Amino acid sequence: QQQVKQSPQSLIVQKGGISIINCAYENTAFDYFPWYQQFPGKGPALLIAIRPDVSEKKEGRFTISFNKSAKQFSLHIMDSQPGDSATYFCAAIDSGSARQLTFGSGTQLTVLP
Amino acid sequence: DTGVSQNPRHKITKRGQNVTFRCDPISEHNRLYWYRQTLGQGPEFLTYFQNEAQLEKSRLLSDRFSAERPKGSFSTLEIQRTEQGDSAMYLCASSLTSNTEAFFGQGTRLTVV
Repeated sequence: QQQVKQSPQSLIVQKGGISIINCAYENTAFDYFPWYQQFPGKGPALLIAIRPDVSEKKEGRFTISFNKSAKQFSLHIMDSQPGDSATYFCAAIDSGSARQLTFGSGTQLTVLP
Repeated sequence: DTGVSQNPRHKITKRGQNVTFRCDPISEHNRLYWYRQTLGQGPEFLTYFQNEAQLEKSRLLSDRFSAERPKGSFSTLEIQRTEQGDSAMYLCASSLTSNTEAFFGQGTRLTVV
């Protein structure tokens, strides 16, 4: 059972454009929603994160929008750059003691120069 | 570099052999997680430690898998009688507490031939 569904699987954007990646979750026990960026041969690195009591969080060119009632959240990358080309994963952490990450299946972003 | 260190980076083994991976977390990080990532998918939780205690195991962690964290410092993940389906990237992450960011290592890529 995929608890965090992510789309699209791949995304191609022109330099300067907006990249949008969407995620949906089912488990209402999730209470923290981070996004990770992963380059080939590297481990995932935290990009930005949001709690469900906040509808939007912005850090530089990266913005998370969160819709608690719809159980959906999205990542917007403004002014996309070729250096942003990577795989992006949405994730969720539930309120249990383990606090393990449940990841989406990933979006491979390519930003064309 | 004081990040999470994993060794080896790559391991090729024949089916049926045993393999062991090592993870050195960030100093003083109490929590240590193991994840498995297959090609084109997000990482999946395997197990985690709070100091030296292994507190939770995923159903993905079959009885051929064993993890240890002696003295609450480095951790090892052993896979016995490897199968081709074990081929994946094995990622280690550590965090200072249950509510702080988890930092990932670069992973160990296992190929079972």
